Amino acid sequence: AQKVTQAQTEISVVEKEDVTLDCVYETRDTTYYLFWYKQPPSGELVFLIRRNSFDEQNEISGRYSWNFQKSTSSFNFTITASQVVDSAVYFCALSEGGTSYGKLTFGQGTILTVHP
Amino acid sequence: GAGVSQSPSNKVTEKGKDVELRCDPISGHTALYWYRQSLGQGLEFLIYFQGNSAPDKSGLPSDRFSAERTGGSVSTLTIQRTQQEDSAVYLCASSLKGSSYNEQFFGPGTRLTVL
Repeated sequence: AQKVTQAQTEISVVEKEDVTLDCVYETRDTTYYLFWYKQPPSGELVFLIRRNSFDEQNEISGRYSWNFQKSTSSFNFTITASQVVDSAVYFCALSEGGTSYGKLTFGQGTILTVHP
Repeated sequence: GAGVSQSPSNKVTEKGKDVELRCDPISGHTALYWYRQSLGQGLEFLIYFQGNSAPDKSGLPSDRFSAERTGGSVSTLTIQRTQQEDSAVYLCASSLKGSSYNEQFFGPGTRLTVL
């Protein structure tokens, strides 16, 4: 069965620091997608990034970057030069490519607090 | 355009009562999902709709939970004879298609409190 683990329950940083959120996943499928979602205090989950299992190229999008390594089943997410507005709960999620219909399996979430 | 909307935003009910939670997906999205977010269990999948049919109901925790979708649009999640352990935030999401590729757009959730 699929599983997503976010070992960091809470992270606290000072503005402008870089912060990396860890995510480890388990799946038997060879085709799958990994996502990061952000949940600000308003409560609505916001899509951030997506990566498929066949593309291990790491990318940067603005202040966000991610490091996908199939060998270690990890999909870590980095925010560069953090800002107070980045304070939120961040969820890593997995969607298997078989007959999951896009169903998401979420990690437990990491609470990020950015202090001014 | 309009995002996913859910109503009510908050619902307080007494143990044993029935509740209905509503979700309006983004227009044109054929896939609709319900999730539950609680302190103890995190974010859990409940049910998936493709059009008006539900090919995956595997996450519904008991037969007290049911859901329907009409006109390929609005969905209603019904909880009968509510229990205190049903207290949670119920999130609805929609996507263009029910595939692992498509990102899901989430509504603001309904916070259910069972007294």
